[in-house]
Amino acid sequence: EVQLVESGGGLVQPGGSLRLSCAASGFTFSSYWMSWVRQAPGKGLEWVANIKQDGSEKYYVDSVKGRFTISRDNAKNSLYLQMNSLRAEDTAVYYCARARIVGARKPTLFDYWGQGTLVTVSS
Amino acid sequence: QSALTQPPSASGSPGQSVTISCTGTSSDVGGYNYVSWYQQHPGKAPKLMIYEVSKRPSGVPDRFSGSKSGNTASLTVSGLQAEDEADYYCSSYAGSNNVFGTGTKVTVL
Repeated sequence: EVQLVESGGGLVQPGGSLRLSCAASGFTFSSYWMSWVRQAPGKGLEWVANIKQDGSEKYYVDSVKGRFTISRDNAKNSLYLQMNSLRAEDTAVYYCARARIVGARKPTLFDYWGQGTLVTVSS
Repeated sequence: QSALTQPPSASGSPGQSVTISCTGTSSDVGGYNYVSWYQQHPGKAPKLMIYEVSKRPSGVPDRFSGSKSGNTASLTVSGLQAEDEADYYCSSYAGSNNVFGTGTKVTVL
């Protein structure tokens, strides 16, 4: 059974940093692209970042470029999101998702999701 | 990277059908046959319901179907059931990025 378990969320002041983790199990982690998707309270889903199987390609939504870094450790079956220079508008539940590249070179769908971890940016 | 446009709400009685639209541009929905749809119940993680415009993952009832015309994709839920009441989001491949829709709350009357 595929399982994705996020951790690391919490309350942080504007300008602060936080590192999210996602522990994966039930599938060959190193064979899949992985992604972070966020959802602000009461709002819709927003794609944040993708990372290739070996970490050689990373893509970000414009609003987090230069502030967030996606990474992975295939030996630990873990995905990470380092978030720096946090802003109030980064407040959201952050989901880890397994991505698929059916028919393309980059992810075209997200087939499994974790339960999410809440990040609150506030003074 | 603007969000795809969905109607905020849709509704239908049990047994009826409801169709949700998802409008993008030629850079996303119109440019690729890589539209997917996700169902999200309150407080839960999203669940993949449709991918590549009209394909259903294993386990998703055939009451759920998808289509696309030009820059607009659609999700139809036929034979509405109480458990179909949820938020639905479309998503499209957009080259190096992915983009989600604004979301539609489906109410079963």
